[in-house]
Amino acid sequence: SQQGEEDPQALSIQEGENATMNCSYKTSINNLQWYRQNSGRGLVHLILIRSNEREKHSGRLRVTLDTSKKSSSLLITASRAADTASYFCATSARDDKIIFGKGTRLHILP
Amino acid sequence: NAGVTQTPKFQVLKTGQSMTLQCAQDMNHNSMYWYRQDPGMGLRLIYYSASEGTTDKGEVPNGYNVSRLNKREFSLRLESAAPSQTSVYFCASSLGVGVNTEAFFGQGTRLTVV
Repeated sequence: SQQGEEDPQALSIQEGENATMNCSYKTSINNLQWYRQNSGRGLVHLILIRSNEREKHSGRLRVTLDTSKKSSSLLITASRAADTASYFCATSARDDKIIFGKGTRLHILP
Repeated sequence: NAGVTQTPKFQVLKTGQSMTLQCAQDMNHNSMYWYRQDPGMGLRLIYYSASEGTTDKGEVPNGYNVSRLNKREFSLRLESAAPSQTSVYFCASSLGVGVNTEAFFGQGTRLTVV
């Protein structure tokens, strides 16, 4: 079974609102990453958080990591139409394999 | 700077045919990956290579073989294609084991097996 599981599976919000997606995983990790995928395209890396970090920011993105609960969240503030995409969390352990979750489909309504 | 290049972009195969998906990266990365993406399933790791000459099974390796002949190239082979292998295949690379950096992805190969 896959390492990461995102929640919710799909999310629709109004433009300008904040979007929060959650990810849970099962085993110890070295880092957790979030990626975005626009329809039919390749994946683009958004942000990486190491296992010894608790929070990280990049522009309108805020990622938290709670290793005791084996969970992470991705917050996108002030959402825009261009944020409409699928978002995936991925975990990497000591063997460097990057294992993905099933993703959250985010739809920003005008 | 091309990044990760996959060929072909599209392919239709008949059941039982074989083919090789090619992947090359020009970032001097050590690690390379092959994933498949099916609707609602996210990306599932097929095979992984930590360095030239080494490969390791991922989550769904059955029906596939890989080859890492040099640092740049990592190919995925389907010896006898089955309809269940209809999917979008992505190749990716990253700097390497023990280095906390992201993976870079190719644009994907859309494979249909009829």
